Amino acid sequence: GENVEQHPSTLSVQEGDSAVIKCTYSDSASNYFPWYKQELGKRPQLIIDIRSNVGEKKDQRIAVTLNKTAKHFSLHITETQPEDSAVYFCAVFSLAGNMLTFGGGTRLMVKP
Amino acid sequence: DAGVIQSPRHEVTEMGQEVTLRCKLISGHNSLFWYRQTMMRGLELLIYFNNNVPIDDSGMPEDRFSAKMPNASFSTLKIQPSEPRDSAVYFCASSPNRGLGSGNQPQHFGDGTRLSIL
Repeated sequence: GENVEQHPSTLSVQEGDSAVIKCTYSDSASNYFPWYKQELGKRPQLIIDIRSNVGEKKDQRIAVTLNKTAKHFSLHITETQPEDSAVYFCAVFSLAGNMLTFGGGTRLMVKP
Repeated sequence: DAGVIQSPRHEVTEMGQEVTLRCKLISGHNSLFWYRQTMMRGLELLIYFNNNVPIDDSGMPEDRFSAKMPNASFSTLKIQPSEPRDSAVYFCASSPNRGLGSGNQPQHFGDGTRLSIL
């Protein structure tokens, strides 16, 4: 099955700095890559997603880049704010498994 | 529009008791997923349905767990008998389409049920 690894597991940045979270996957047939943000005690919420026919997608302060050859994709958050503090999960949809596989999560802390 | 609705939000019960978690899909969605989240194991897919039919239940931990979709908009996850190690947050999520090769749609999560088995 699909194997998704997410790094780092924790990330602490100063307000205004950028944050980057990276995920690698194993199945080259994977074609959909969403990112979820989960605040403490809340549900995971989709913040951005990318499909395999696109290399980069941006939405205001967040962007995702995809390298299909290397089988990795990254979440970039610029000008971080304290309200960005949360756990971020990447996920990969594999046609072989016909399901989403989630990474282990990254706890992002933005210090004011 | 109403999102995915789960009930109860919190459940505390003694081991050995039957627990039933409920989920109402977003109108128009036809795929339903049950996840379990713990600190140790992260977010695990337990089972998913497409058009009311269970497609993959390989994540269901034991025979004590069962899930049903009696109609297109509602699902239950039952644990009988419950054990302390079942304590976790259980999320239900729905998406508009999950046919094989038909396209990959975002999953929308409910607020979860925090289950504590004493």
